[in-house]
Amino acid sequence: QSALTQPRSVSGSPGQSVTISCTGTINDIGGYNYVSWYQQHPGKVPKLMIYDVSKRPSGVPDRFSGSKSGNTASLTISGLQAEDEADYYCYSFADIYTRVFGGGTKLTVL
Amino acid sequence: QVQLQESGPGLVKPSETLSLTCTVSGGSITSYYWNWIRQPPGKGLEWIGYIYYTGSTNYNPALKSRVTISLDTSKNQFSLKVSSVTAADTAVYYCARSVQMWSHFDFWGQGTLVTVSS
Repeated sequence: QSALTQPRSVSGSPGQSVTISCTGTINDIGGYNYVSWYQQHPGKVPKLMIYDVSKRPSGVPDRFSGSKSGNTASLTISGLQAEDEADYYCYSFADIYTRVFGGGTKLTVL
Repeated sequence: QVQLQESGPGLVKPSETLSLTCTVSGGSITSYYWNWIRQPPGKGLEWIGYIYYTGSTNYNPALKSRVTISLDTSKNQFSLKVSSVTAADTAVYYCARSVQMWSHFDFWGQGTLVTVSS
């Protein structure tokens, strides 16, 4: 099972919106609504930001939103803030034997 | 609030077996799915496998031949063993909880760096 495909890097200015894509196949993202997104600051533990494609855990700002179309999931961050600068990873259930992460996207706030 | 904490040797010799333990506090291990995830330095996350509180396991097919995950409910701990390690197994190893077999990881340990080197 190959890793999900994410852009290596994205950037945006404070206040702007950015979208990070995560492309898989019908066997993972396209076949199930179990996509989640994790934020990881350097040297820190990954933090759950979105689960089940578009649900936000308690405490995650509503600036973070998730969606899915076909085999591609997306994480959108609106009203970009300096503290959003981090690595972001998508993750999907693939089948009862497999789970896959994306390769990660580095978000730079200009 | 559930807390997870990894423990184990930070240095393992090539061809030997890597062994780590995750201690769960603030909640019982007798529910949920308990996972191991790793991250090589400067690289992305890789799911290693999980154990359910009943003892059933599921492993990443790419690692299945070398990985064993076990559970000790009396100590609220679960463990990871990776055999025949090489430098490619050098990584930060995280333990994490998921509520369902198919679901996200809601609680994570702090991670522990394991280096494979002679």
